[in-house]
Amino acid sequence: GQNIDQPTEMTATEGAIVQINCTYQTSGFNGLFWYQQHAGEAPTFLSYNVLDGLEEKGRFSSFLSRSKGYSYLLLKELQMKDSASYLCAVSPDTGRRALTFGSGTRLQVQP
Amino acid sequence: EAQVTQNPRYLITVTGKKLTVTCSQNMNHEYMSWYRQDPGLGLRQIYYSMNVEVTDKGDVPEGYKVSRKEKRNFPLILESPSPNQTSLYFCASRTGAGELFFGEGSRLTVL
Repeated sequence: GQNIDQPTEMTATEGAIVQINCTYQTSGFNGLFWYQQHAGEAPTFLSYNVLDGLEEKGRFSSFLSRSKGYSYLLLKELQMKDSASYLCAVSPDTGRRALTFGSGTRLQVQP
Repeated sequence: EAQVTQNPRYLITVTGKKLTVTCSQNMNHEYMSWYRQDPGLGLRQIYYSMNVEVTDKGDVPEGYKVSRKEKRNFPLILESPSPNQTSLYFCASRTGAGELFFGEGSRLTVL
């Protein structure tokens, strides 16, 4: 089966750094994605990790440890526009199934 | 512009009245999928299609049908909608690397 866990809500201050964790247990693994979703809008792609380690893209970084079934998304220099839900998603295999999503972490950035 | 387009964006209907949500993508992706998103449950896959005339059930297929007669189109059909199908629906197409591109969403209310 598939199980993806992430915190439901987080609050952080503008200009700060926040880390959103994701743990997963899936029957297969072919990569982990992070998506950002503003309220009422479609999810948009942030990052993709298939090998262990840190992937950096501007203010956002994503880390993966396959042996631990663990990932995190790191957001630096937080801005008010970063208030959104962040979805962790695992690709279980290369073929038939698409991504399995966690329930998402709602991040509120405060002034 | 690369995009996934779904219609209608908003719909209020009554129990038992058949409806179709259309989805079209212009990226020549072979893989398309439908998700529903409900509070606390995240994105759950309804149906997916690996290619033309190839469709398969996702995690929550009950009450839905799909078809894939052309590569670009993947409509979602609710033959007899019920109130528990009130949800936010997303169509998505997938790149070879596994990244999903989402449509803008269709908010459906079944009374």
